[in-house]
Amino acid sequence: AQSVTQLGSHVSVSEGALVLLRCNYSSSVPPYLFWYVQYPNQGLQLLLKYTSAATLVKGINDFEAEFKKSETSFHLTKPSAHMSDAAEYFCAVGYTGFQKLVFGTGTRLLVSP
Amino acid sequence: DTGVSQDPRHKITKRGQNVTFRCDPISEHNRLYWYRQTLGQGPEFLTYFQNEAQLEKSRLLSDRFSAERPKGSFSTLEIQRTEQGDSAMYLCASSPTGVETQYFGPGTRLLVL
Repeated sequence: AQSVTQLGSHVSVSEGALVLLRCNYSSSVPPYLFWYVQYPNQGLQLLLKYTSAATLVKGINDFEAEFKKSETSFHLTKPSAHMSDAAEYFCAVGYTGFQKLVFGTGTRLLVSP
Repeated sequence: DTGVSQDPRHKITKRGQNVTFRCDPISEHNRLYWYRQTLGQGPEFLTYFQNEAQLEKSRLLSDRFSAERPKGSFSTLEIQRTEQGDSAMYLCASSPTGVETQYFGPGTRLLVL
């Protein structure tokens, strides 16, 4: 069975600081991995995805994530946080032939001036 | 380029009433998904359609829930005899066949009093 663990329900950073949001997955087959962002009372917006090509994936708004099979991790990073990055971030796993995505419980990113 | 749309965006109902939500996927996306998201949690898969065929249903989808996609375009999700535990955000997503990325709508927030 697939599962996703996001360590830290809340992460606080200062504006301009490095952002690191952690995601570990469990999958019995090669996974597809996603990061989505959700702003209050809105749906989910895709930030980036890993689909077995390059292990370092670049997304929108300078976010990137690295797939590490040995660590079963797909952590999300951004070099410099902006106030507008404050939102809920979800890591999700899926794989070919199995249509649903399995989401983690989310990490709320707080950015202080 | 029109994204996934959902209607209504908000719904308040009394316990025991029936409610119906609508989802319009991205044009030409033949896969359509429904998820439910409760406060502080990630989205949980409910069901998905390939064109008009409903191919998978989660155990979360009790007998009171029914989803349809009669012409392979828009979809409806109906909840009969609503309960307070049904209060959640209901998210719809769509994707083309063979593409693993799901594109989400803004969601319908349901509050059952």
